[in-house]
Amino acid sequence: DVKVTQSSRYLVKRTGEKVFLECVQDMDHENMFWYRQDPGLGLRLIYFSYDVKMKEKGDIPEGYSVSREKKERFSLILESASTNQTSMYLCASSLEGWGYTFGSGTRLTVV
Amino acid sequence: DAKTTQPTSMDCAEGRAANLPCNHSTISGNEYVYWYRQIHSQGPQYIIHGLKNNETNEMASLIITEDRKSSTLILPHATLRDTAVYYCIVRVNTGNQFYFGTGTSLTVIP
Repeated sequence: DVKVTQSSRYLVKRTGEKVFLECVQDMDHENMFWYRQDPGLGLRLIYFSYDVKMKEKGDIPEGYSVSREKKERFSLILESASTNQTSMYLCASSLEGWGYTFGSGTRLTVV
Repeated sequence: DAKTTQPTSMDCAEGRAANLPCNHSTISGNEYVYWYRQIHSQGPQYIIHGLKNNETNEMASLIITEDRKSSTLILPHATLRDTAVYYCIVRVNTGNQFYFGTGTSLTVIP
């Protein structure tokens, strides 16, 4: 089975900190995605990547950046964390034309 | 990608079939219907997908109407562990992004 591993299950950070959320997949998938999930809003796409070193903005990229230096790793960066970025963050990967495999999520609290 | 409409919530008795409807009236000919579910505090899990024909796997069955404007996910014998939010998504099989709505919250009642 494909595994998508997110480095932290729970994270608490202070306002203004730079935050790195890491995601690693072990099945050589080309595509990787970052979503955030908030009550009543469902899952919203932040950024995605089709290949190493490439990235595309999703629906809500403001306040975030990403890095994909290796095929298996896709990092989400909060340049200066704010309280409105408190959320559940979900990473997913897929092969072209196939469904997603999601990680277990990182629940980030910014205080 | 076409939009989908699902009921906000549903209940189902344990052991009975759970039938979850989804409307996708603007679906185009090359868009697939996907179903995912999300159990509380976990990432969404793939269930099944189809294009035109009905599909069945070990988890569920997917019934797509002939005009493809709606579909139904069937969990044949619901258990308490099937309590989750179920998402219906239509998507062209290239391009890869999935757009999740708010789904149907299914509660299986003992």
